Amino acid sequence: GQQVMQIPQYQHVQEGEDFTTYCNSSTTLSNIQWYKQRPGGHPVFLIQLVKSGEVKKQKRLTFQFGEAKKNSSLHITATQTTDVGTYFCAVSSSNTGKLIFGQGTTLQVKP
Amino acid sequence: SQTIHQWPATLVQPVGSPLSLECTVEGTSNPNLYWYRQAAGRGLQLLFYSVGIGQISSEVPQNLSASRPQDRQFILSSKKLLLSDSGFYLCAWSTRRTGELFFGEGSRLTVL
Repeated sequence: GQQVMQIPQYQHVQEGEDFTTYCNSSTTLSNIQWYKQRPGGHPVFLIQLVKSGEVKKQKRLTFQFGEAKKNSSLHITATQTTDVGTYFCAVSSSNTGKLIFGQGTTLQVKP
Repeated sequence: SQTIHQWPATLVQPVGSPLSLECTVEGTSNPNLYWYRQAAGRGLQLLFYSVGIGQISSEVPQNLSASRPQDRQFILSSKKLLLSDSGFYLCAWSTRRTGELFFGEGSRLTVL
């Protein structure tokens, strides 16, 4: 079945440093979604990428979809303590449309 | 606007006891519904998803079951809980097959 690898599993940064998490698939993806889960909370949708090479920005967050549509990244510029949480990528099964999540990257930001 | 309600928020159950978690969605019709489980510090494991009333797809063989008695109601059940059933259970809905998911607040289950 559809699988996606997400790295790194954990990242500790000093406030103000940048952060990047990556998702990789062995198969071509129709689209990829990104979610953020604050500690103790539920995942919240951030964005969906559909087009090859697509880049979308949300304030300090930059999302990129690879040219081959097999990988994606989320980059946070100048992290803040409010960025703390776990970031998940999620991909759709080509047959059923069900959403499969990566293992997530947990970000800790030291003030 | 659409909302999703999930309850109970927290529960502690003994091994071997039954379980029932309920989820309802308001403000939309014929949603796709999902149950995910998240073990402590881990990712989201898809347990069940449903594209319509009475239509349930199971992803992982286990002692859990799901039912969808009404269009916007999704229930997760177990007849006898195991220690390994502990975790954070999340209900979610979407309007399109590949659309974004909207999650409920989650139910934190501890089996002792």
